[in-house]
Amino acid sequence: NAGVMQNPRHLVRRRGQEARLRCSPMKGHSHVYWYRQLPEEGLKFMVYLQKENIIDESGMPKERFSAEFPKEGPSILRIQQVVRGDSAAYFCASSPQFAGTLHGYTFGSGTRLTVV
Amino acid sequence: EDQVTQSPEALRLQEGESSSLNCSYTVSGLRGLFWYRQDPGKGPEFLFTLYSAGEEKEKERLKATLTKKESFLHITAPKPEDSATYLCAVSWGGSQGNLIFGKGTKLSVKP
Repeated sequence: NAGVMQNPRHLVRRRGQEARLRCSPMKGHSHVYWYRQLPEEGLKFMVYLQKENIIDESGMPKERFSAEFPKEGPSILRIQQVVRGDSAAYFCASSPQFAGTLHGYTFGSGTRLTVV
Repeated sequence: EDQVTQSPEALRLQEGESSSLNCSYTVSGLRGLFWYRQDPGKGPEFLFTLYSAGEEKEKERLKATLTKKESFLHITAPKPEDSATYLCAVSWGGSQGNLIFGKGTKLSVKP
């Protein structure tokens, strides 16, 4: 049973380009969470999705960032017109149900985005 | 403001030298407190969940405890392979699945 799969592992984008980060949850998990980890900072929540629904996007920047989790396929975190401050490690996690009640998340290995 | 504070930021131990990491939290209606281990270049690896004051969980050389204000991660007779960053996170009554993470404690165990 594969874990949470994220790709690419490393992504380099020039300022102004778009970045697309993909996350396939563990088999049987229907809840996906995206977090961002800046250097010397803790993990910061961005968005919580279920299939075809955004449940909580309170941590998403208001502009340039969007996320989806379609009925088929991986969850996508999209960053438009990237800036240097977007450089960070982006982690996806999944759970079989609301993590706050019973289970800790299972995290992927992350995508390290570098904006040059 | 809801927050999670971990101390110390970094800890260096000799192999076999036991110690504890601290995680203090201020949230309304704690639902769960989670401990994770993170190795360089990798995602956090789940260790424990604690739900109520007085609860304890153990795994190999690690033991996690919880009070109403803080949690401790006790490391008994650590080995070099225990070197990692240990992260604490909480979920609370108002959250919909998102966790608040501390900045972590970077543990180095020297042989």
